[in-house]
Amino acid sequence: ETGVTQSPTHLIKTRGQQVTLRCSSQSGHNTVSWYQQALGQGPQFIFQYYREEENGRGNFPPRFSGLQFPNYSSELNVNALELDDSALYLCASSETTGSPLHFGNGTRLTVT
Amino acid sequence: AQSVSQHNHHVILSEAASLELGCNYSYGGTVNLFWYVQYPGQHLQLLLKYFSGDPLVKGIKGFEAEFIKSKFSFNLRKPSVQWSDTAEYFCAVTRGGYQKVTFGIGTKLQVIP
Repeated sequence: ETGVTQSPTHLIKTRGQQVTLRCSSQSGHNTVSWYQQALGQGPQFIFQYYREEENGRGNFPPRFSGLQFPNYSSELNVNALELDDSALYLCASSETTGSPLHFGNGTRLTVT
Repeated sequence: AQSVSQHNHHVILSEAASLELGCNYSYGGTVNLFWYVQYPGQHLQLLLKYFSGDPLVKGIKGFEAEFIKSKFSFNLRKPSVQWSDTAEYFCAVTRGGYQKVTFGIGTKLQVIP
């Protein structure tokens, strides 16, 4: 089975810019969650998408937004980047909401 | 809001030593509990999970964890660690039927040959 893949692996952006991160979920999974992992911290829940609808959101501002497509792949968009947005962004798919998460390798975002 | 505490941030053990990593969570209702592991250079992967039933759960590679509801704990154990167990271990909890999974800060385990 194909695992979760994320692109790009690394990205450098300037404060104020916008960024789009992409994720292909594991075959058979209809739920995608996004997490932000700052250095030395555990992953923090951003939001979850289930069958193309947002299905739960963590404590992140509206400039963090997402999409899920009919093939269950997903995008994370961040507008007006801030220095504190520098982190590893993890995508995780699951068979359904509440099932164990299958993670990708993440996208390392650096905001300068 | 639910939270997860992992007591040991960095643990160094010799091969064959026993391991116990502490995890406590704050939510008092029905919970689903997980331990995830990240080996060097690899992605996070599930080690074991507890949803209901027997509070002693077995995972991959000889790991086990015990859910003690009265103590809000889900400690990870392994009787005899190997060098290949060197990794970062994350405890995680979600409220039953809820989407948000809350992770602990992680424990870096270093096993010395």
